[in-house]
Amino acid sequence: GENVEQHPSTLSVQEGDSAVIKCTYSDSASNYFPWYKQELGKRPQLIIDIRSNVGEKKDQRIAVTLNKTAKHFSLHITETQPEDSAVYFCAASRGSARQLTFGSGTQLTVLP
Amino acid sequence: ETGVTQTPRHLVMGMTNKKSLKCEQHLGHNAMYWYKQSAKKPLELMFVYNFKEQTENNSVPSRFSPECPNSSHLFLHLHTLQPEDSALYLCASSQEPPGNYYGYTFGSGTRLTVV
Repeated sequence: GENVEQHPSTLSVQEGDSAVIKCTYSDSASNYFPWYKQELGKRPQLIIDIRSNVGEKKDQRIAVTLNKTAKHFSLHITETQPEDSAVYFCAASRGSARQLTFGSGTQLTVLP
Repeated sequence: ETGVTQTPRHLVMGMTNKKSLKCEQHLGHNAMYWYKQSAKKPLELMFVYNFKEQTENNSVPSRFSPECPNSSHLFLHLHTLQPEDSALYLCASSQEPPGNYYGYTFGSGTRLTVV
C-alpha cells in the first residue's frame, strides 16, 4: 500500500519568512495530492491540492510543487503570518478517498 | 458549519459504558469515513462507507461498530472501550469518482476520553 512520509514534524519561522514542508510517497500510481490545515481544536481543512498532470499550483501565498519522478511534493507558504500557525497534513491518493493516505503532520509555528 | 456535523463534540465515558458518535453530511456526497486522530500520530482510517456499503475496515477492534443507515448519516457505536481509545474521532465525506475527486470535508470531531 501507499506510504507517505512528511518532514519536518515541527517547523518554526519568523513572521514574514517562508515555510516549506515536504512529503514523499511510495505508490507511483498516486495521482492526487491534497494538503490539509488543522488549527488547534478545529477540523482539518483542505487548503490546496495538485493532480499529477501538473507540476505546480499556486493560490495567493500558498503553492504546491510535485515531482513525479522523485515521488515527492512540497507545500510552500510565503510571507507567513501568525494565523498560518497550525498542523499541516499532506496526503496522497490514486484519485479515490478510499485510497487516501496521510502524512504524520507538521506543526508550523509562526513567531511574531 | 462546513456541511459535516458531528455530535457530541466532547464525550467522557467509562470503560463499561455504551455510547454512539453521530455524523451527518449535507453535501450530497456518496462516501463517508471515520478517522481516529491521536496525539503525534498520523490520521488513522477506521472505516469507509461508499453508497451505504462498508468498503473498508482497517483492522479496527470490534469494540468499535460502525453503522451507515443512509448516505447522509454515519454512526460509530462504542462499547467496553480502553483508555488508549481516547482520541479525537473525525468523520469525513467525499464525492467519489467518476469525475474529478476533490478530497474530504471533515467534521469538527468528537473528543473522546475513556476513564
